[in-house]
Amino acid sequence: EDKVVQSPLSLVVHEGDTVTLNCSYEVTNFRSLLWYKQEKKAPTFLFMLTSSGIEKKSGRLSSILDKKELSSILNITATQTGDSAIYLCAGASGNTPLVFGKGTRLSVIA
Amino acid sequence: DTAVSQTPKYLVTQMGNDKSIKCEQNLGHDTMYWYKQDSKKFLKIMFSYNNKELIINETVPNRFSPKSPDKAHLNLHINSLELGDSAVYFCASSQTWDSRNTIYFGEGSWLTVV
Repeated sequence: EDKVVQSPLSLVVHEGDTVTLNCSYEVTNFRSLLWYKQEKKAPTFLFMLTSSGIEKKSGRLSSILDKKELSSILNITATQTGDSAIYLCAGASGNTPLVFGKGTRLSVIA
Repeated sequence: DTAVSQTPKYLVTQMGNDKSIKCEQNLGHDTMYWYKQDSKKFLKIMFSYNNKELIINETVPNRFSPKSPDKAHLNLHINSLELGDSAVYFCASSQTWDSRNTIYFGEGSWLTVV
């Protein structure tokens, strides 16, 4: 059965810290990995990664995929309280629904 | 304009009742989904429709019945509600069935069964 595992499940940091969120996947016919941020409402899309070793960047967030290790990381530098959210990782195979991990709950305190 | 909209946003109801959640997307997407997010925030697919055709039906009690009158709408009807049905239900859509496409989520419908 396909699965996606995220770690840590929760994390508390201070503003200005850098955090790294981990995601490992076992997805049959894997095609891409997606990261979502979920605050109080719906998950919002962050990144889609299909190629190994190529970093995607958006502001203070960046992510990279390692197909050899079947994993991805999401980095957030200079964290702010507005980064507090649940970060969801999902694996896509192209012909089956996304398989979501359980998320990492990030709390950034001032 | 809200891309994926679902109603109601909040719903509190008694056990045994029947309720529906409606979903509409104005993105012109072919594929729509219902996801359930439990109290531990685990997001799990329930159903998926592509051009009004059911293509994914995960292990969900048959008290849950999706209906897609057209490809822009996917409604979820739940019969004989149980306490364990309390969750947030997310509607979502994507351009095509290929799950490499970005999925756009609605804002969720918070169902509480008492």
